[in-house]
Amino acid sequence: DGGITQSPKYLFRKEGQNVTLSCEQNLNHDAMYWYRQDPGQGLRLIYYSQIVNDFQKGDIAEGYSVSREKKESFPLTVTSAQKNPTAFYLCASSKETVVANYGYTFGSGTRLTVV
Amino acid sequence: GIQVEQSPPDLILQEGANSTLRCNFSDSVNNLQWFHQNPWGQLINLFYIPSGTKQNGRLSATTVATERYSLLYISSSQTTDSGVYFCAGRGNNRLAFGKGNQVVVIP
Repeated sequence: DGGITQSPKYLFRKEGQNVTLSCEQNLNHDAMYWYRQDPGQGLRLIYYSQIVNDFQKGDIAEGYSVSREKKESFPLTVTSAQKNPTAFYLCASSKETVVANYGYTFGSGTRLTVV
Repeated sequence: GIQVEQSPPDLILQEGANSTLRCNFSDSVNNLQWFHQNPWGQLINLFYIPSGTKQNGRLSATTVATERYSLLYISSSQTTDSGVYFCAGRGNNRLAFGKGNQVVVIP
């Protein structure tokens, strides 16, 4: 079955460390997204990519970096510059055409905790 | 960017009751979706509903795009319906989310 796989499910980071969250999809979707969710809040967009080797900042990109070297993969690095990285991170993908988007599919998330 | 307002923010239902969740958008959006976030955090697609009405079992949704709102109906609620419901609409190449409706169904 096609889907989006995020790993790991739980991640603990020491202050000052960079960590990378994995997101892989086999849906043949063009676009991929990273969202951050804080307790009791909605989702906020970190970065998104509509094609390979291209990505754009979302609303809260500071302290994060991404790459899109393959269509299937969109890893997110949480750098030491991110002051409050403890959160739930969700990756999503969507199929795009010139005229339409056909809905988003989400992974199961990674819960990052700074210790 | 697009602002998404969901109401009510919190809802407690007796099992078997019906309810309506509402989502308002500050501007025109495309590709409106409703999601249910389960206790483990995963977002489950409920409806992809840019306009019109769709039904899936005890759930149905209606979007009136010209008036920038969408409604999610839960009928004969069950305890498994508990969780957070999000609506999201697409504008400027990104999906904007509301803060969610926290629904608790009590037996």
